[in-house]
Amino acid sequence: DVKVTQSSRYLVKRTGEKVFLECVQDMDHENMFWYRQDPGLGLRLIYFSYDVKMKEKGDIPEGYSVSREKKERFSLILESASTNQTSMYLCASSLSYVGKDTEAFFGQGTRLTVV
Amino acid sequence: GEDVEQSLFLSVREGDSSVINCTYTDSSSTYLYWYKQEPGAGLQLLTYIFSNMDMKQDQRLTVLLNKKDKHLSLRIADTQTGDSAIYFCAEKRGADKLIFGTGTRLQVFP
Repeated sequence: DVKVTQSSRYLVKRTGEKVFLECVQDMDHENMFWYRQDPGLGLRLIYFSYDVKMKEKGDIPEGYSVSREKKERFSLILESASTNQTSMYLCASSLSYVGKDTEAFFGQGTRLTVV
Repeated sequence: GEDVEQSLFLSVREGDSSVINCTYTDSSSTYLYWYKQEPGAGLQLLTYIFSNMDMKQDQRLTVLLNKKDKHLSLRIADTQTGDSAIYFCAEKRGADKLIFGTGTRLQVFP
């Protein structure tokens, strides 16, 4: 089974702190994604990586950065956490198949609260 | 980015059919997906449809695609309490970018 593991289920951080959310997948997938999930807004794409050291901004990249130094690991960084970044963060990975369907596999999510 | 829209809530009686609708925006999307999220869990793929198809059936699930109107629907026949969850449609843009909708919370009552 494909496994996508997020390092924490719950996190509480203070405003202004630098926050790292880690995601690891074990199926050699090229693509990795970070989404945030908010009620009524669904999943919004923050960043997408299609290869090591490659990244592409999603719909809401402001206030976030990412790092992909190894294929299996994709980190989301909140440079200076703010209360409006309180949310559920979901990591996903998928194979890269141009012209074919690609199932995305999701982690369990990290619920981040910024106080 | 452009939005993928869904109605937020749907409530159905057990045994009835549920129809969850989605409007997407990118006419060049190649694949469209339905994902299910159960309480406290990540998302899991339910089914998908290729953009040159109108309909796909998979046991109790029927997916209808109207490409002209950019409208996707998921019909669940004989809805059960275990079907209660949030359902997300998603479109594949470009090579591999996945854009999700706002999600529809399906509640099934006895």
